[in-house]
Amino acid sequence: DTAVSQTPKYLVTQMGNDKSIKCEQNLGHDTMYWYKQDSKKFLKIMFSYNNKELIINETVPNRFSPKSPDKAHLNLHINSLELGDSAVYFCASSRDRAETQYFGPGTRLLVL
Amino acid sequence: EDQVTQSPEALRLQEGESSSLNCSYTVSGLRGLFWYRQDPGKGPEFLFTLYSAGEEKEKERLKATLTKKESFLHITAPKPEDSATYLCAVHSDRSYNTDKLIFGTGTRLQVFP
Repeated sequence: DTAVSQTPKYLVTQMGNDKSIKCEQNLGHDTMYWYKQDSKKFLKIMFSYNNKELIINETVPNRFSPKSPDKAHLNLHINSLELGDSAVYFCASSRDRAETQYFGPGTRLLVL
Repeated sequence: EDQVTQSPEALRLQEGESSSLNCSYTVSGLRGLFWYRQDPGKGPEFLFTLYSAGEEKEKERLKATLTKKESFLHITAPKPEDSATYLCAVHSDRSYNTDKLIFGTGTRLQVFP
């Protein structure tokens, strides 16, 4: 059984397009996160949600908008994609805030 | 500002050649230190959490230890399947209320038969 799943696994798109990445967890966790991993493999948090409430909103462009329809889902919508948005985006979840985080398989985004 | 530094950046070992990976941290107050393993094309996989100096955790060939300034991930008699990038991350007093995990840049381990 997949604990944290993301779709799609790969996303290739043109500059200026709008795209969404979906994340679902079946662990019963209350907190979910979005991370960006750059080409040097550095993981940096973008957003976190606890019980559908936004907790962290790091300095990311407002073209990125997270949406949590329920505790098990956290989606990431990106408007007007730019070349620099190319990266791997990971979703994660934890039982509660500041507890061990479990990661999804990642979505590889390539903006051409 | 909280910082996490991992060394070495890359490590090549012969199968059976034990070694250690280092994670040194400078934080406002450590709430927890986490080790993850990441295989190419996959998400980080949780290995250990350490909370206080002197604590140790073991899993198969891996053993994680913690002091007040750093953590070590000891790999005993590694096998080729241990090849991966090992990531260290911390929760600090400063980041605790915001759930923010501060990651290091990882150590890329390659184990050759």
